[in-house]
Amino acid sequence: DQQVKQNSPSLSVQEGRISILNCDYTNSMFDYFLWYKKYPAEGPTFLISISSIKDKNEDGRFTVFLNKSAKHLSLHIVPSQPGDSAVYFCAASAVPGANSKLTFGKGITLSVRP
Amino acid sequence: EAQVTQNPRYLITVTGKKLTVTCSQNMNHEYMSWYRQDPGLGLRQIYYSMNVEVTDKGDVPEGYKVSRKEKRNFPLILESPSPNQTSLYFCASRAQGSPLHFGNGTRLTVT
Repeated sequence: DQQVKQNSPSLSVQEGRISILNCDYTNSMFDYFLWYKKYPAEGPTFLISISSIKDKNEDGRFTVFLNKSAKHLSLHIVPSQPGDSAVYFCAASAVPGANSKLTFGKGITLSVRP
Repeated sequence: EAQVTQNPRYLITVTGKKLTVTCSQNMNHEYMSWYRQDPGLGLRQIYYSMNVEVTDKGDVPEGYKVSRKEKRNFPLILESPSPNQTSLYFCASRAQGSPLHFGNGTRLTVT
């Protein structure tokens, strides 16, 4: 049973436009969410996170929105740049502490066209 | 530089030949974990360790062993590799309340 779902395997956007990457989850115990970015031949790197007490967190060009009632979160990248082309993983945990386990989605491949 | 180091980066082996993938972190993190990444399945946790001498199974532990004798090292052991263990493996570590730091991965092929 997949608890974190990234239903679109890929997304292609024009440079300068907005990229919106979606993620849904089924486990109502999840209350901490993260996005990781992965380039080929490298490990995933942390991008941005949000806890359930917030509905939005912003860091430069990256904003994550959380809709707890819909069990949905999204990552917005504005403006998109060719260097943003990568695989993006959504992840969730129940408790943001030492005991928490991260559950990952399958990932979305973002391609930003120059 | 703070990092998680895995070795080797690439490994081709045959069915049944024991192998070890090493993982070391220099950030004094207590928590370490192993993941495998497969097409269409994302990242799945194999084993994790909360601290020295404390290890536990993740979602897909079958066919793997780990050990945590020192804080910085967390090797992944395949006693008798099989072709279904062909995958991309990532080691990760983190401090309490912080995001995971990943290594650059080990691509394993078992023929």
